Amino acid sequence: AQSVTQLGSHVSVSEGALVLLRCNYSSSVPPYLFWYVQYPNQGLQLLLKYTTGATLVKGINGFEAEFKKSETSFHLTKPSAHMSDAAEYFCAVSGTASKLTFGTGTRLQVTL
Amino acid sequence: EPEVTQTPSHQVTQMGQEVILRCVPISNHLYFYWYRQILGQKVEFLVSFYNNEISEKSEIFDDQFSVERPDGSNFTLKIRSTKLEDSAMYFCASSEDRGDTEAFFGQGTRLTVV
Repeated sequence: AQSVTQLGSHVSVSEGALVLLRCNYSSSVPPYLFWYVQYPNQGLQLLLKYTTGATLVKGINGFEAEFKKSETSFHLTKPSAHMSDAAEYFCAVSGTASKLTFGTGTRLQVTL
Repeated sequence: EPEVTQTPSHQVTQMGQEVILRCVPISNHLYFYWYRQILGQKVEFLVSFYNNEISEKSEIFDDQFSVERPDGSNFTLKIRSTKLEDSAMYFCASSEDRGDTEAFFGQGTRLTVV
């Protein structure tokens, strides 16, 4: 069985500040980990994914995430927030099966 | 850029009525999925479909739900007798493969049962 926990349903940062969105997972098999972003009234767009290999993965729009097996974490970061980053962010895990198990999401607010 | 398309974007239906949500996956993809997101809650897996049959389904996907790929392009979700609690955003997704492969999501159909 797999599960994802996203700490903080709402995160607010100032424009230009560091973005840190937390994700912890549980998986009985080596996990594949994903971050998706959802803009208002739109579908889910993949930001980045970890499958195997390098534990620091870079995605679109300047986001990156680091897979830490010892901490069962896959936190999402961006050095400098932009107003356009305001959205809902979902962490997800899959294993050998095809389905994704999502976290509850974190709404990112970016203020001036 | 290829994309998953869903129709309609919004559907309002009366309780007890049947609804069909439609999706056109990306043409070379082999795996198809339906997820739903009840307002304010997380995205939940409903069903996956491969090689013209259900490969996995969640406990949410009970007898009132069915999926079909009636032709080479469409992938549908039917809810036989809608209930108020079926009100949600329904997302279709497709992927080339399973597991570590990116799933591409459509923009969703907002279903409102009244």
